[in-house]
Parts: sequence; structure tokens; C-alpha cells
Amino acid sequence: DAMVIQNPRYQVTQFGKPVTLSCSQTLNHNVMYWYQQKSSQAPKLLFHYYDKDFNNEADTPDNFQSRRPNTSFCFLDIRSPGLGDAAMYLCATSKGRGPRGETQYFGPGTRLLVL
Amino acid sequence: AQSVTQLGSHVSVSEGALVLLRCNYSSSVPPYLFWYVQYPNQGLQLLLKYTSAATLVKGINGFEAEFKKSETSFHLTKPSAHMSDAAEYFCAVSDQSYNTDKLIFGTGTRLQVFP
Repeated sequence: DAMVIQNPRYQVTQFGKPVTLSCSQTLNHNVMYWYQQKSSQAPKLLFHYYDKDFNNEADTPDNFQSRRPNTSFCFLDIRSPGLGDAAMYLCATSKGRGPRGETQYFGPGTRLLVL
Repeated sequence: AQSVTQLGSHVSVSEGALVLLRCNYSSSVPPYLFWYVQYPNQGLQLLLKYTSAATLVKGINGFEAEFKKSETSFHLTKPSAHMSDAAEYFCAVSDQSYNTDKLIFGTGTRLQVFP
């Protein structure tokens, strides 16, 4: 089945130690998104790629960066995680240029714990 | 700019009872509206979406939603709740100032189902 895969499902890191979260997709979608979801809150968009075109949200901290080496993979890098970065990180994909009401398909998420 | 408001952060129903989760939207253009469900420690799964084709939208797991322009509402209903429906439900709207289907989420409603 075509899907969005996130690895690892759970990640523990130390305060200030760089961490990378991974997302891959078999849907061949052009757009990939990264969301941060803190406990009991709505997902908050950090950035997205349309193909190789990177789009950062205005309020995304510089501590968060992303790479998309090819259509299938996208990475979220947190350069110096703080305690406030502990959250669920969700990757999603959609087919193409909008807005036209296309569905976003979400991965299972990676829960990040910062010690 | 588009936005959604979900009334009621928690809703509790008995098994077999009607489920009604409320969502109101704000949009200066015809909106694209979505309902997603999130089970604990999982990603988001699309329940249904409205893209102007029909005002009554049927989704998965017996859920449906009706788009009412006069009330700017897109409430989610299910005639008979099942224990497995217990989850967090998010209403979302596409931000049409973007050239991709960026989603703006409501704050979510947690549904509890009692036996």
C-alpha cells in the first residue's frame, strides 16, 4: 500500500544534541509537510516543500531545518533541541499545487523526548 | 484569511448515541473543509472533506458532515457511537492564500464513548 512512513516512532535526545527525524513516502506526491504537535494541541505547520522549493513558516524557529534530497524522502533537523521542542512531529504529503482541496496524507508521527 | 473554530474541547457520549462535533469556519472565498481523526500516538487520518461538490459529505467509519453556508458550519455527525470512535477529531480548512493545500486546524475535540 502507498503510504507515509516516519522513523523512528520514538526518539529520545539530550538537551542541545542535534537530532534528525525521517519521513519517506511511496505516494509520489510533490508536496511534503512537517508539523509540530504539542500535547493536546492542534498540529502546527513548520515548513513544506513543493518538489525542491522550500517554504518556511514565518514563526518557525531557526533551530528547525529541513532537507529533501529526492521526491521520496524528507528530513527534519533540530540543531539544538530544547525542552520546549518535545512534541509529536508529523510528516504529511499532498499531490500538487493548490489550493484545490487535495487531501494531506499523514504519517504515524515521531514522538520526540528531550532530556 | 481562513480559520476554523471547534466548539467543545471534550465531548462524551454513550455507546449507540448520536455523535455531534461542531466546527464553524471563516472564509472570504468558498472553503475547502476537512475532518481528520487522530487516535492516541498516531498520525491524522482523513475522515471526509468538502470541496463544493455536494453539501452532505459521507466519510469513513459511518461519519458524515453537512456544509451549511448560511451558518458557516461543517459539523461532523455519526448516528450511533462505537467504542472505537474514541479519539481526537480535528476540523481544518485549506489556506487559499497559499499555492499548496496548507491546512489550518481547529483546536480539536476529544470524543469519549462510554459503554
